[in-house]
Amino acid sequence: QKEVEQNSGPLSVPEGAIASLNCTYSDRGSQSFFWYRQYSGKSPELIMSIYSNGDKEDGRFTAQLNKASQYVSLLIRDSQPSDSATYLCAVNSGGSNYKLTFGKGTLLTVNP
Amino acid sequence: EPEVTQTPSHQVTQMGQEVILRCVPISNHLYFYWYRQILGQKVEFLVSFYNNEISEKSEIFDDQFSVERPDGSNFTLKIRSTKLEDSAMYFCASSEAPRSAFFGPGTRLTVL
Repeated sequence: QKEVEQNSGPLSVPEGAIASLNCTYSDRGSQSFFWYRQYSGKSPELIMSIYSNGDKEDGRFTAQLNKASQYVSLLIRDSQPSDSATYLCAVNSGGSNYKLTFGKGTLLTVNP
Repeated sequence: EPEVTQTPSHQVTQMGQEVILRCVPISNHLYFYWYRQILGQKVEFLVSFYNNEISEKSEIFDDQFSVERPDGSNFTLKIRSTKLEDSAMYFCASSEAPRSAFFGPGTRLTVL
């Protein structure tokens, strides 16, 4: 069973701080990695994708991938109360181009 | 910005009844998906659809489930005989290429 693991939190940070969210995955053949944001009662919203080792930055978000360690992370700089949500890590397992396997998500709370 | 739309937003049905959930994917997207999320649990892949056929399906997607693209814009999920455990949020998603997925707002299915 191919798994994606996340610390469920809650992770609480003060406004303006850096929030660090982590994810590990079990399938070494995984090729594509995504971070989704899900507000309570809403659908997942794609915020970052990363396909190769290293860092990828988009505005206040940085995704980091280390395939050797089977580890993906998301950094949110200058955290805002509006960033308070559950962050879902999703992975395309190596044998599939179509199926995303999701983690349970980490609940982030940004305190004003 | 183009988005995936879904109807209805909430469907209540009796156990054993058939339901059809409807989706309009983003217009230039070629890959379509259904995911579900039982309350408090992970987002789970059900099925992917490309070029008018199922490209991949999960163990959840048994003979009670079917998908169809009846015309150039709609994508539907049919559950033939609903069970209590089918109660969940059902998300339609679409993408231009395999790998990522852009989610619709979801249909909350309640089976009584």
